[in-house]
Amino acid sequence: DGGITQSPKYLFRKEGQNVTLSCEQNLNHDAMYWYRQDPGQGLRLIYYSQIVNDFQKGDIAEGYSVSREKKESFPLTVTSAQKNPTAFYLCASSNLRGGGNQPQHFGDGTRLSIL
Amino acid sequence: EDQVTQSPEALRLQEGESSSLNCSYTVSGLRGLFWYRQDPGKGPEFLFTLYSAGEEKEKERLKATLTKKESFLHITAPKPEDSATYLCAAYNNAGNMLTFGGGTRLMVKP
Repeated sequence: DGGITQSPKYLFRKEGQNVTLSCEQNLNHDAMYWYRQDPGQGLRLIYYSQIVNDFQKGDIAEGYSVSREKKESFPLTVTSAQKNPTAFYLCASSNLRGGGNQPQHFGDGTRLSIL
Repeated sequence: EDQVTQSPEALRLQEGESSSLNCSYTVSGLRGLFWYRQDPGKGPEFLFTLYSAGEEKEKERLKATLTKKESFLHITAPKPEDSATYLCAAYNNAGNMLTFGGGTRLMVKP
């Protein structure tokens, strides 16, 4: 089945540690996105990429980094500079036909907590 | 700045009691309005896309409508399995970033 796979489902970070969240898609979508969701709040965009080897900052990129070396993969690193990383992280992808008005499809998320 | 606001934040219904969820938007040149369902601990599941005022989409007990300022998600005779958080999101005319509302948490009691 085609879809988006995020791993791990749960992740714990120690002080001063960088952690990387994985996102893989087999939908042949051009664009991929990372969102952060805090309790009772909407989704906020961290980074997005519309093509391999290129990505753009979203609304809350500080303390995060990404790479897009393959079309299928868009890992997110939460660095030690992110002082409040506890949240639910969601990866999404979309087709870019129609000029970018296609729905985004989501993985099942990674919940990150501080040890 | 683009804004999407959903109301109410939470809604409790009895099984079979129909109601509507509201999504108001202020977006530069709307290119698409999306509805998602999100269950606890899961990613949002795509439900509907609406592209122009007057458009309607239906799926089982759900019907989404769109005007120039807002969208409604009508739920007819809901069942307990319809309990979830419903998210609304909009693309502006740049088409590269979705703006999400805060969601409506729907609880349907048997």
